[in-house]
Parts: sequence; C-alpha cells; structure tokens
Amino acid sequence: DTGVSQDPRHKITKRGQNVTFRCDPISEHNRLYWYRQTLGQGPEFLTYFQNEAQLEKSRLLSDRFSAERPKGSFSTLEIQRTEQGDSAMYLCASSLSGGGSYEQYFGPGTRLTVT
Amino acid sequence: EDKVVQSPLSLVVHEGDTVTLNCSYEVTNFRSLLWYKQEKKAPTFLFMLTSSGIEKKSGRLSSILDKKELFSILNITATQTGDSAVYLCAVPNNDMRFGAGTRLTVKP
Repeated sequence: DTGVSQDPRHKITKRGQNVTFRCDPISEHNRLYWYRQTLGQGPEFLTYFQNEAQLEKSRLLSDRFSAERPKGSFSTLEIQRTEQGDSAMYLCASSLSGGGSYEQYFGPGTRLTVT
Repeated sequence: EDKVVQSPLSLVVHEGDTVTLNCSYEVTNFRSLLWYKQEKKAPTFLFMLTSSGIEKKSGRLSSILDKKELFSILNITATQTGDSAVYLCAVPNNDMRFGAGTRLTVKP
C-alpha cells in the first residue's frame, strides 16, 4: 500500500497524559499536513511541513501541540497534557508542492478519545 | 479572515435525483478550490478547480467554479445510495481551509 498511513488508528488516554501520533506520507510527497476533525465539521488545519521545515502553524493551535518531521519523511504530532476537548480525529495528508498542485491525499486518521 | 461556507449542511434525496451542492469562499490569494468526498473515514479527492467556467466532470459528478462570484457547485446526477457521504470543499492558501461539509443521504 503506497498511500498515507497513520498510527495508531485509535487511541484512548486519560486526561493529562501525553500522546504521540505518527504519519507516513506518500514517499515522493514533500508536503505533509496535520488536521483535526470533530463530528459535523470539516477538517481544521493544524500545521504543515515542506520537507523538514514547518512552514505554517494554525494560530488556534495550543502550545500543548507540537509536530516534527525531522528527516522530511514521516511526521509525529504530540499532544501534551491532553484535555477532553482534544478528543477528535487527527488526519494527516500529503501532497507535492509546486506547479499549482494542491491535491492532498489523506491518511485514515487517528481517533483520539480523552477520558 | 479566510472562510469557506457550504450549503446546504445536509440533504436527503431519493435514488435517481439530481443534487447541487454549493461552496462559497472568501480567501486571499486564491489559487484553487478542491472538492472531497468523505464517507466513514478520510476524505478522498474529487476535483480541483482553478479556472472559472470550465466544468470538470467525472462520471455522474461535475463541478464548476465562478471566480467572480466566489463560489463553486458540485452536481451529482442520477444519485445512488453509494453517493451518501459528506462532501467537503476546501481552498488552499498557506493552510487549507475546509468548509463544514454537506451531508448527503440518498435513500433507495
């Protein structure tokens, strides 16, 4: 399977715990995006990388959230001191940059439940 | 602030009906508008539109963009139960701004 993969697919954690999610993009894609989606809403942009550089981060993103893409391939999203409001589906997507192409391919998502 | 607004938020039709979904936008530095279909999991890409008035078509689905009036429509003809999904439109800028989606339910 050469699509975008995410791990884990589901995560249940207690409030206050830290969690980390991983995303492996399509191998030739240099852009990687993280989104959060709650029920009845479209995906909400969190951050994106071009290669290893984090180029944009949502102003709405709490300092408890951090993302890395150290070698320009896979990425991790960490949420520290989780809160119940962090419960959501976390989606990763990848794309090629340049040439006006903004078609993003999404992974299956990680569903986070904070109890 | 950039925004993308979709209407209606939900729609229930019967098989064979034709539906039109709307997406209006206000963004700086517009480059393209994308349509996605989301069933139970991640969104899957349908169309990317960059030029006004040029219809993109894929089977029973078609879409068109109006850059003067800042909207796009997605048409689905002869709907089938398998078309039931949430349809999202999105406009990339420095981020990717999604609308809330239109939930389409097609009844047999």
